Amino acid sequence: ETGVTQSPTHLIKTRGQQVTLRCSSQSGHNTVSWYQQALGQGPQFIFQYYREEENGRGNFPPRFSGLQFPNYSSELNVNALELDDSALYLCASSLGGVMAKNIQYFGAGTRLSVL
Amino acid sequence: GESVGLHLPTLSVQEGDNSIINCAYSNSASDYFIWYKQESGKGPQFIIDIRSNMDKRQGQRVTVLLNKTVKHLSLQIAATQPGDSAVYFCAEIAGGTSYGKLTFGQGTILTVHP
Repeated sequence: ETGVTQSPTHLIKTRGQQVTLRCSSQSGHNTVSWYQQALGQGPQFIFQYYREEENGRGNFPPRFSGLQFPNYSSELNVNALELDDSALYLCASSLGGVMAKNIQYFGAGTRLSVL
Repeated sequence: GESVGLHLPTLSVQEGDNSIINCAYSNSASDYFIWYKQESGKGPQFIIDIRSNMDKRQGQRVTVLLNKTVKHLSLQIAATQPGDSAVYFCAEIAGGTSYGKLTFGQGTILTVHP
């Protein structure tokens, strides 16, 4: 167990809807990263939050947005869902700052299906 | 439809054998590397990491080797067990960035036969 928890575990939405996914980071970690993992592929970096600020972003459109709260938990929001957004969404927590290259511990993920 | 693992490299071994999983990376600026294990229905699980100032690091039953000259990483698992069956990913973080964006390789499916 990594101490990183994600909710919900599974979600079914229809195209055009909006979704919010949640992540609680491991105790003591101040950085949360979000990844999208399509079936049969490696995870793709969406963005990272450090101390409530977006600290880096991958090649994802603005309809993917996030928040980090004072307790370092985080949300991933996706607007105007498309069929290709169907994937496993993974949250990873780590200790960031000047030691940004640290182990990222992953949660079990949220499986999103867009119909 | 899409089949899981159809395009992933596979490695099949017998229980008790040693396994070697290879990974090539393309970014010569990468200076931190992590190996993850992912079982079906679970998130990636940390196995071992290595920084670019090292060329070898050992853990419990696992060894990671880094060859920066040819941009190659390998994971060696000693005395492989059925519980080691999973998809294995190497991941890298490029130097010069102020944040830890992990870039994952394509993954290798390891199957261990009893």
